[in-house]
Amino acid sequence: KQEVTQIPAALSVPEGENLVLNCSFTDSAIYNLQWFRQDPGKGLTSLLLIQSSQREQTSGRLNASLDKSSGRSTLYIAASQPGDSATYLCAVQSSGSARQLTFGSGTQLTVLP
Amino acid sequence: DADVTQTPRNRITKTGKRIMLECSQTKGHDRMYWYRQDPGLGLRLIYYSFDVKDINKGEISDGYSVSRQAQAKFSLSLESAIPNQTALYFCATSDSRDYTFGSGTRLTVV
Repeated sequence: KQEVTQIPAALSVPEGENLVLNCSFTDSAIYNLQWFRQDPGKGLTSLLLIQSSQREQTSGRLNASLDKSSGRSTLYIAASQPGDSATYLCAVQSSGSARQLTFGSGTQLTVLP
Repeated sequence: DADVTQTPRNRITKTGKRIMLECSQTKGHDRMYWYRQDPGLGLRLIYYSFDVKDINKGEISDGYSVSRQAQAKFSLSLESAIPNQTALYFCATSDSRDYTFGSGTRLTVV
């Protein structure tokens, strides 16, 4: 059974700092890995999707890396802003026909002005 | 209009009551999912469906049932609600790679 772990559970940083969120998974037979953002009272917004054959993806100030062999992914946020405050969820999509997502418990990020 | 719409947004119900959560989508995706989120935890899969005649149990299906009334509609039912079903419920659709989530239904069972 796939298990996804995110560290740290919560993080508070001053505005402008660069930061890294970590995600690890136990089964390397994955289809892809996705990072989502969750704001209170709202649904999940997809940030980045890394296919199993890829090493990284970038979107604006966000960069996600994937090391499938070691079961690790990182989400790098450059020059953090208060608007980045949210919960960030890592999810691994299985390679079977069901293509299910298994989620980590998230990192709650607070960026202080 | 949102791509994935969940109703109601919030609901308080009593123990033992039957309740239905509804989800509709305009993405045209065949795959639909129901997830549950508890505080401090990630989302856990309850049920999923790949088309109108297909229903599959997820990780935590006990105490829940679903109905796929049409390609665009997927409802979740709690036949006899209990307090530990208090949670945030999300519906999602997928084209097998990209997922779109609804805004969630916050359910409280008292």
